[in-house]
Amino acid sequence: NAGVTQTPKFRVLKTGQSMTLLCAQDMNHEYMYWYRQDPGMGLRLIHYSVGEGTTAKGEVPDGYNVSRLKKQNFLLGLESAAPSQTSVYFCASSPRLAGTGELFFGEGSRLTVL
Amino acid sequence: GENVEQHPSTLSVQEGDSAVIKCTYSDSASNYFPWYKQELGKGPQLIIDIRSNVGEKKDQRIAVTLNKTAKHFSLHITETQPEDSAVYFCAASRVGSSNTGKLIFGQGTTLQVKP
Repeated sequence: NAGVTQTPKFRVLKTGQSMTLLCAQDMNHEYMYWYRQDPGMGLRLIHYSVGEGTTAKGEVPDGYNVSRLKKQNFLLGLESAAPSQTSVYFCASSPRLAGTGELFFGEGSRLTVL
Repeated sequence: GENVEQHPSTLSVQEGDSAVIKCTYSDSASNYFPWYKQELGKGPQLIIDIRSNVGEKKDQRIAVTLNKTAKHFSLHITETQPEDSAVYFCAASRVGSSNTGKLIFGQGTTLQVKP
């Protein structure tokens, strides 16, 4: 009964380094999302996917890339990390589009860019 | 695009009192309004939602009200308990348009319930 699992949970990077956050869901949901959470700014959508092989931009996509090669996995990549990308990242999935029903969130990945 | 403002940013109440969190939205076509609760170290979890064809919805100690004319909606928690302490997020979305899939969140309210 894992739900949505994010790895890693914590990571420290140096400016310019690259990394990938992995999100895995075992609920057979079509839709998956990556959000970032910053103090006083709520949750902002980075990218989302409406099905295997598809991706779309959210509110704050710059500096990030995503891939959805398998239905159960949604990867978030940072090619050249910047201090402004220090944040807590949340992955979510849903059986329907986000505006129509519940989102199921992972526990978050805290990223610090020095 | 849609913008959601949430107030207050922090709220402290005594156990047993009521708590009210308010949100305003900018897109008059928004028609789906969920509330999420985030406990420390966890991801947000849906606690209640309301659609624009309904003015109020209740679930035990939690209620949400919607005023479409004024474009605001509120979360009401009665008989607060220490386990209600968390960060609460409101959100808004416009279902049935090209914008579907983009749930816009408020800034969050940290609720502290003092025993």
